[in-house]
Amino acid sequence: DAGITQSPRHKVTETGTPVTLRCHQTENHRYMYWYRQDPGHGLRLIHYSYGVKDTDKGEVSDGYSVSRSKTEDFLLTLESATSSQTSVYFCAISGNIGPNQPQHFGDGTRLSIL
Amino acid sequence: AQKVTQAQTEISVVEKEDVTLDCVYETRDTTYYLFWYKQPPSGELVFLIRRNSFDEQNEISGRYSWNFQKSTSSFNFTITASQVVDSAVYFCALSEAPSARGRSGAGSYQLTFGKGTKLSVIP
Repeated sequence: DAGITQSPRHKVTETGTPVTLRCHQTENHRYMYWYRQDPGHGLRLIHYSYGVKDTDKGEVSDGYSVSRSKTEDFLLTLESATSSQTSVYFCAISGNIGPNQPQHFGDGTRLSIL
Repeated sequence: AQKVTQAQTEISVVEKEDVTLDCVYETRDTTYYLFWYKQPPSGELVFLIRRNSFDEQNEISGRYSWNFQKSTSSFNFTITASQVVDSAVYFCALSEAPSARGRSGAGSYQLTFGKGTKLSVIP
């Protein structure tokens, strides 16, 4: 298994509160990604990182921000959580550049916003 | 338009039956890669296979086989003699070069996933 740890694994919080999800990898991979998974939508990319302090937006980035201050950690922040952000969040990593690189996923974080 | 279409939302088969999961993709690029991932009920996503656009040779791995046909833009996945442990959601995904996505730069290699097919194998 790829060394990817997501924390927390489960979280319940209230609308309007800030939430930060953490992805930690031990593979020293350059590329890291945050996805959300919702019924009927598959996985959709939120943000990704191609190096320390290098990040960019994905398909569904509104309402989310990310930070990567170290190679091993990629943080996803919901500044003011809304019920529409209730989802399962997956972190993924890949080692090298190129469309041929498979991404390896963490076990996911189930986030419920009431 | 969807770039990756998995038209079968849910499939149920009886154990030992063969089952094929369909994946149709759309791209203007000549160089691209296709992937299949498995998500069992426990929730993790497991990488199964990668194919590139220049290699149309079918691949077999145990009870799993993949049929890649550029002429029909399809990358179908067949499970032979299905087992209960095959019950999962299966995702097909496409990765294109940045130019095909109108982007450039190191961060532009992204996966586009289909919506998944839920396979239930009944004992």
